[in-house]
Amino acid sequence: EAQLVESGGGLVKPGGSLRLSCVGSGFIFSNAWLSWVRQAPGKGLEWVARIKSKYNGGTIDYAAPVKGRVTISRDDSKNTLYLQMNSLKIDDTAVYYCATGLIFDIWGQGTTVTVSS
Amino acid sequence: DIVMTQSPDSLAVSLGERATINCRSSQSVLYDSDNKNSLAWYQQRPGQPPKLLISWASTRETGVPDRFSGSGSGTDFTLTISSLQAEDVAVYYCQQYYSTLLTFGGGTKVEIK
Repeated sequence: EAQLVESGGGLVKPGGSLRLSCVGSGFIFSNAWLSWVRQAPGKGLEWVARIKSKYNGGTIDYAAPVKGRVTISRDDSKNTLYLQMNSLKIDDTAVYYCATGLIFDIWGQGTTVTVSS
Repeated sequence: DIVMTQSPDSLAVSLGERATINCRSSQSVLYDSDNKNSLAWYQQRPGQPPKLLISWASTRETGVPDRFSGSGSGTDFTLTISSLQAEDVAVYYCQQYYSTLLTFGGGTKVEIK
């Protein structure tokens, strides 16, 4: 069964940093396009970033609210996706999901990031 | 960015009745080359991650009950639940993948009347 498991969330002060991880299993991780999607408390879904497979050039795209503050990367040898988040703001507080594909057919359970002083 | 607008924000429907959710994109998400609309629908039950229901505007994912159907083209799309069941209580989101920058609608909460 294909699955994704996120980790790395926690409580961080405004201006701080955090690195999220997402481990995939049950599918060919290196072939997958991978995204981070977040959901602020009581709010809707917001796409954050995507990294394509190396076969498709490894192209990276970011949503405007996070561009310049976050970095998405992947280590296919470890079946792991990362999201390095810097200069965190209170508005970055959310559950962060990783998901596969252009169309998000596999989702993790999410990891919670809380930015608060 | 392509803005996705869903309506209504919420709706209450009796068990066995039809639920209709609308989604409008600020520009067309139809690829002329293959006549396919880059539009997906997701279901998010309370406390759960989203689940993909429909892709390409009308293609149901494997295992999704046939009471769920998607329709529309260009900029206007609809998700229909033909006979609402208790397990369909959830928030439903549309999402476009036409643009490099992916965007979701604001969500529609479906409840039992």
